[in-house]
Amino acid sequence: EADIYQTPRYLVIGTGKKITLECSQTMGHDKMYWYQQDPGMELHLIHYSYGVNSTEKGDLSSESTVSRIRTEHFPLTLESARPSHTSQYLCASSEAGAKNIQYFGAGTRLSVL
Amino acid sequence: GQQLNQSPQSMFIQEGEDVSMNCTSSSIFNTWLWYKQDPGEGPVLLIALYKAGELTSNGRLTAQFGITRKDSFLNISASIPSDVGIYFCAGHLNTGTASKLTFGTGTRLQVTL
Repeated sequence: EADIYQTPRYLVIGTGKKITLECSQTMGHDKMYWYQQDPGMELHLIHYSYGVNSTEKGDLSSESTVSRIRTEHFPLTLESARPSHTSQYLCASSEAGAKNIQYFGAGTRLSVL
Repeated sequence: GQQLNQSPQSMFIQEGEDVSMNCTSSSIFNTWLWYKQDPGEGPVLLIALYKAGELTSNGRLTAQFGITRKDSFLNISASIPSDVGIYFCAGHLNTGTASKLTFGTGTRLQVTL
């Protein structure tokens, strides 16, 4: 069972607000990821990190930003939310090494009005 | 970038039937993973495959890593209602420090009683 937690699970917010989606894992994994997923569709990588103070942009361009100050914590921030940001955001982590199994949190479903 | 095509896109089956779905890539992978995602949740790992030709089972699930390293299939035997969900394949190619997974487009499974 993976120990990776996302909060909040659901968020409805108005346009222009700043939001932070939280992601924490207790497995000591070095690598963490953020994906964006529209309902029933494929996952798109928007950010990843290989360790503390390491962050990279993913394959899908995103206006969000991330930080990795602690190993266990990988928050995602939107400075000014827009309706186009409405989606599900999934956080994942994996341990170092070749196996590359990513463990996912339950996700945050974001709706921007 | 790399693309993973899954087929079928969706399927309706009767409870008790066997299910087969596959995933094909334009590029080779070193690792194939199969995940299941329930509505409103994050993907959960079902099976991991690490060698070309490998056949691995997990209960009623069986998956194979294709010999060409460009494909994989997942079989579910004697389907039950809780098998409903979206099944995603994911591939990984070790390239130094890169640990990104490429996800397939998903197969939506619905089971009728």
